[in-house]
Amino acid sequence: AQTVTQSQPEMSVQEAETVTLSCTYDTSESDYYLFWYKQPPSRQMILVIRQEAYKQQNATENRFSVNFQKAAKSFSLKISDSQLGDAAMYFCAESNTGNQFYFGTGTSLTVIP
Amino acid sequence: KAGVTQTPRYLIKTRGQQVTLSCSPISGHRSVSWYQQTPGQGLQFLFEYFSETQRNKGNFPGRFSGRQFSNSRSEMNVSTLELGDSALYLCASSFRQGALGYTFGSGTRLTVV
Repeated sequence: AQTVTQSQPEMSVQEAETVTLSCTYDTSESDYYLFWYKQPPSRQMILVIRQEAYKQQNATENRFSVNFQKAAKSFSLKISDSQLGDAAMYFCAESNTGNQFYFGTGTSLTVIP
Repeated sequence: KAGVTQTPRYLIKTRGQQVTLSCSPISGHRSVSWYQQTPGQGLQFLFEYFSETQRNKGNFPGRFSGRQFSNSRSEMNVSTLELGDSALYLCASSFRQGALGYTFGSGTRLTVV
């Protein structure tokens, strides 16, 4: 079965600094998709960034970028120039079918002014 | 364009009762997924519908069921509620399948007393 592991239950970062959230996954599929979602107190899960496993180039969305290491099954999220609005729970997710996502247990990110 | 709408936002039910939760996907989206989120188990996949057909089902008892209507709106039903069913139930929609990432609603917070 597919599993996603986020080993950092909590992280904190100073405003304007950079933070990296870790994620590892386990799948036997060769083609799959990886995602980072953000869940603020409003409860709505917001897609931050996605990566297709067959693409070697790391995805980037403005201040958010990933370090995708396929052989190591690692998919970390880097947030640059952290802002107060980045404070939230961050979930890593994996899907090989696109229909069913497997989520990690989440990392709570605090941004310190 | 309107996002994914879930109703109601909060619900309190008594053990043994049944409950129906509703989800209206983004206009044009035909795939709808449901997830249960609890502090102990995290986010767990319930089921996914596409064009009124259930394509995938998670590992939940038969008390959990769902359906999708011709307008892509979806409902999930939980019968004979148990205390352990207390959770945030999240609905997500996508155009065809979630490879591009699902758009989530804000969830329905169900409390079973």
